[in-house]
Amino acid sequence: NAGVTQTPKFQVLKTGQSMTLQCAQDMNHNSMYWYRQDPGMGLRLIYYSASEGTTDKGEVPNGYNVSRLNKREFSLRLESAAPSQTSVYFCATAPDPRGAELTNEKLFFGSGTQLSVL
Amino acid sequence: AQSVTQLGSHVSVSEGALVLLRCNYSSSVPPYLFWYVQYPNQGLQLLLKYTSAATLVKGINGFEAEFKKSETSFHLTKPSAHMSDAAEYFCAVSGPFGIGNDKLIFGTGTRLQVFP
Repeated sequence: NAGVTQTPKFQVLKTGQSMTLQCAQDMNHNSMYWYRQDPGMGLRLIYYSASEGTTDKGEVPNGYNVSRLNKREFSLRLESAAPSQTSVYFCATAPDPRGAELTNEKLFFGSGTQLSVL
Repeated sequence: AQSVTQLGSHVSVSEGALVLLRCNYSSSVPPYLFWYVQYPNQGLQLLLKYTSAATLVKGINGFEAEFKKSETSFHLTKPSAHMSDAAEYFCAVSGPFGIGNDKLIFGTGTRLQVFP
């Protein structure tokens, strides 16, 4: 089982360029999340999707858009990258609420995408 | 609204010494509390979680945490540190499922160093 797969692992952009971070999961989970991790800031929620076809803003959504293409995939798009978006991005998934009560983990994380915007 | 505060961004201990990582929470609903660990260049892994059952929760790798409602705390401890425990640790809080508060809110993290 691959679990949660993020691509790419590393990316360098110039200010103003656009790109899409991809996340795919094979665990049949309903909920998917995008977090960014910055030194001294912990993980902050950008966007999340409680189910296929729905998306909602998290703590820091400005400058990002998301697409829940299907149950497996949840992409994060930067339309015009800025240096403030230099960060490590993590995708995570969670089973439905009743399922989460029965499992050992609330969130399953991907291995991250390290993004630098110059 | 929910939040967690981790006291101390860096903690250093000697191998074999007690590990104590502090976390205080704020929540308007009964909280679910979590500790995650992140090793270098990896994603986060769950250490343990509290979901309103036993207040003393045992996790992987010898870690445990105690939920203290009166102190709004969920500190992480391990009796004897090992070199392999060196990592960054995150406390997180969420609300009960199904009422719109089940998103995980993370603290800012505590980096644990273990010296021989």
